[in-house]
Amino acid sequence: KNEVEQSPQNLTAQEGEFITINCSYSVGISALHWLQQHPGGGIVSLFMLSSGKKKHGRLIATINIQEKHSSLHITASHPRDSAVYICAVSLAGNQFYFGTGTSLTVIP
Amino acid sequence: DTAVSQTPKYLVTQMGNDKSIKCEQNLGHDTMYWYKQDSKKFLKIMFSYNNKELIINETVPNRFSPKSPDKAHLNLHINSLELGDSAVYFCASSLGTDINSPLHFGNGTRLTVT
Repeated sequence: KNEVEQSPQNLTAQEGEFITINCSYSVGISALHWLQQHPGGGIVSLFMLSSGKKKHGRLIATINIQEKHSSLHITASHPRDSAVYICAVSLAGNQFYFGTGTSLTVIP
Repeated sequence: DTAVSQTPKYLVTQMGNDKSIKCEQNLGHDTMYWYKQDSKKFLKIMFSYNNKELIINETVPNRFSPKSPDKAHLNLHINSLELGDSAVYFCASSLGTDINSPLHFGNGTRLTVT
């Protein structure tokens, strides 16, 4: 069983829809990361958080430490949001565990 | 440009060969990493270096040897390449290992072993 589980694995949405990607983890963490991997392969760090909520543009990330759960929300989705979104957790000692990713396709 | 850069972008080689992938960051970060992304897009950490010292060495074959000549560089040398080594390898860096240190990734090196 993977230490980090993401859902859904694949997601197709119409442009403008509100999107939620979920991440659950089973280990004690220092921080949780949301990464975006573009179709070209490059990986960008979107958020790093250990509590509460962070917002950047149309992206919102929340985390509930007690429930060991995080969500990534995209408001007013756009085709350029199409990418793979990866949840990762970092532990003490700089250990990392990654989810298997959520492939998002936003249709115009 | 400030960035994490890794070379080469593509690497095609035959089984049994030895190859190296280079990584450099000019962000002034103290910590650098190597990750492997398999064909199912699953990322897994391989190595982590902090100020030129190894702090994580996951259970990777000892054919993989990281080398950090200084804290701005973390190169990955692979001996006796095998078919199963085919993957995309990502280098990344962070300022430290605490909450205020997001990861910055290189663009990846696609290794194909034939």
